[in-house]
Amino acid sequence: QVQLAESGGGVVQPGRSLRLSCAASGFTFSISGIHWVRQAPGKGLEWVAVIWYDGSQKHYADSVKGRFTISRDNSRNTVLLQMNSLRAEDTAVYYCVRQRRRDSGSLDYWGQGTLVAVSS
Amino acid sequence: DIQMTQSPSTLSASVGDRVTITCRASQTISSWLAWYQQKPGKAPKLLIYKASSLETAVPSRFSGSGSGTEFTLTISSLQPDDFATYFCQQYNTFPNTFGQGTKLEIK
Repeated sequence: QVQLAESGGGVVQPGRSLRLSCAASGFTFSISGIHWVRQAPGKGLEWVAVIWYDGSQKHYADSVKGRFTISRDNSRNTVLLQMNSLRAEDTAVYYCVRQRRRDSGSLDYWGQGTLVAVSS
Repeated sequence: DIQMTQSPSTLSASVGDRVTITCRASQTISSWLAWYQQKPGKAPKLLIYKASSLETAVPSRFSGSGSGTEFTLTISSLQPDDFATYFCQQYNTFPNTFGQGTKLEIK
């Protein structure tokens, strides 16, 4: 079955960096777009970034552009989210999500999420 | 960026009721809209994609409609399992954006 497993979350000081990893299994990873979506405690969903199936395109939310970098390794079925210059407002559960096949942006499988807390 | 506005923010209803949630886009998004259900402590679940297409294994009491800038999610007969928070998402343009959510509560 389709599985997405995030790791790498934790507590980090403002201005520091953290790298999230998403390990995928149960589907053909190399033909799937992958997104990151986050949710601050008690708040709504915020789309963060997407990477095309082949890594050829990447797009980011304005709030993270220039600080976050998404990448993928199709040989390891893994997506990474490198987060630099972290701010308190980046505190959230981060979900790794698969883009639905044959649709251009709906999100059909979600990981369980990993919590990032930015605090001094 | 495209702003997505959901209404109402909170909806109180009873089992068996028919309920409708509205999502409005600040500019046209054609039919590139999805609806999600989220329960506390869980990841969201895709219900509807491309405005009106029902995701696999989602009960047929859920339906979506609309195009352009105005969209609706309708639950034809509320079941106890449906009390949750619902989000819309536009994926016509990057950055993709979500509505602020509608919490469906038991009356």
